Amino acid sequence: KAGVTQTPRYLIKTRGQQVTLSCSPISGHRSVSWYQQTPGQGLQFLFEYFSETQRNKGNFPGRFSGRQFSNSRSEMNVSTLELGDSALYLCASSLQGVDNYGYTFGSGTRLTVV
Amino acid sequence: DAKTTQPNSMESNEEEPVHLPCNHSTISGTDYIHWYRQLPSQGPEYVIHGLTSNVNNRMASLAIAEDRKSSTLILHRATLRDAAVYYCILTNFGNEKLTFGTGTRLTIIP
Repeated sequence: KAGVTQTPRYLIKTRGQQVTLSCSPISGHRSVSWYQQTPGQGLQFLFEYFSETQRNKGNFPGRFSGRQFSNSRSEMNVSTLELGDSALYLCASSLQGVDNYGYTFGSGTRLTVV
Repeated sequence: DAKTTQPNSMESNEEEPVHLPCNHSTISGTDYIHWYRQLPSQGPEYVIHGLTSNVNNRMASLAIAEDRKSSTLILHRATLRDAAVYYCILTNFGNEKLTFGTGTRLTIIP
């Protein structure tokens, strides 16, 4: 079966711009989470959605937002980009969150802010 | 969130068993122990999880101490493809997030 698909794979943006990243979960998975990975901070949790509702949010500024659609696909948006937002953004899906089957991660979107 | 402690790095010879330790002395009674690994240039991959009893699956085994303050991920026969960063994470159903630490970087020596 198809895995978690993230688009685009690579992105270069300028400071001050905004960006939208997309994630298509595994068919049937209703939970989608987003993580940011940087060399300095490692993997950090951004937020998690289940059935279009945000259930949990990490410690990121309000410039980071997300949403989930009725087909479970999710998008995350970062407004007013800063150089420090350069990172690998990973999406993960699961049936219903932290369950007995674990999260399946996508390969990520590498965002570079210049 | 309860914290886990892992060695920064470990080495093992190919085709030998590998034991990756994790300490979690502040674990609560409802915390599950999850292991993920991240291969180079890939997203993390679920390996195994458990609550109290030892667990086995096709990828690995998880041995959990009786007091649950530590656990060990066991790769029975390491291959070069097992070279990755391994993360031990405590989770709780209802707290839908994974809190990654720095993990253990496993190097497999041919």
